[in-house]
Amino acid sequence: NAGVTQTPKFRILKIGQSMTLQCTQDMNHNYMYWYRQDPGMGLKLIYYSVGAGITDKGEVPNGYNVSRSTTEDFPLRLELAAPSQTSVYFCASSYSRQGSQETQYFGPGTRLLVL
Amino acid sequence: GDSVTQMEGPVTLSEEAFLTINCTYTATGYPSLFWYVQYPGEGLQLLLKATKADDKGSNKGFEATYRKETTSFHLEKGSVQVSDSAVYFCALSDQGYSTLTFGKGTMLLVSP
Repeated sequence: NAGVTQTPKFRILKIGQSMTLQCTQDMNHNYMYWYRQDPGMGLKLIYYSVGAGITDKGEVPNGYNVSRSTTEDFPLRLELAAPSQTSVYFCASSYSRQGSQETQYFGPGTRLLVL
Repeated sequence: GDSVTQMEGPVTLSEEAFLTINCTYTATGYPSLFWYVQYPGEGLQLLLKATKADDKGSNKGFEATYRKETTSFHLEKGSVQVSDSAVYFCALSDQGYSTLTFGKGTMLLVSP
């Protein structure tokens, strides 16, 4: 049981390039989330999904896109990378029950540097 | 909207000292409250949680009590170890799809 896995671990992008951050979970969780963590700041929610085919914006969605075609995968797409997107990105998942008690399980993160 | 405020770090302690990390929150509903811990180079992992007023969450010697009257969820440990050095995040989750609102995190450094 690998939990939540993310690839790549680290990436350097040039301004204007695009990339996809991969996230996969093997716990059969329906809910998945993308957060970014800037230095000295807490995590901010980018997008989340409550099931295959269903996604919604979080607090800081601008500059990102997501899709959810399977229960296991929740990729995050950056179309035109900007220096402001330099951050550490965390994917998380939780059990599918609406409510506020569920624990989120986090991946190890992807460190992105945009130059 | 919802928000979480934590004490600024770093908090520097000697081994076996008592730890308190303050956390207060603002929420419109009745949130659940969490403490997550992030060890160097790793993702976040749940440390403890409490889902209603006066609940006490505990794990690995850490404790926190959900205080609705003071909107607080302070983290405590009676005797810290070097291995407790990490960043601690207080968070809340509203009644929706379990999305989390995080505080900025508090770095704890424990020296031998």
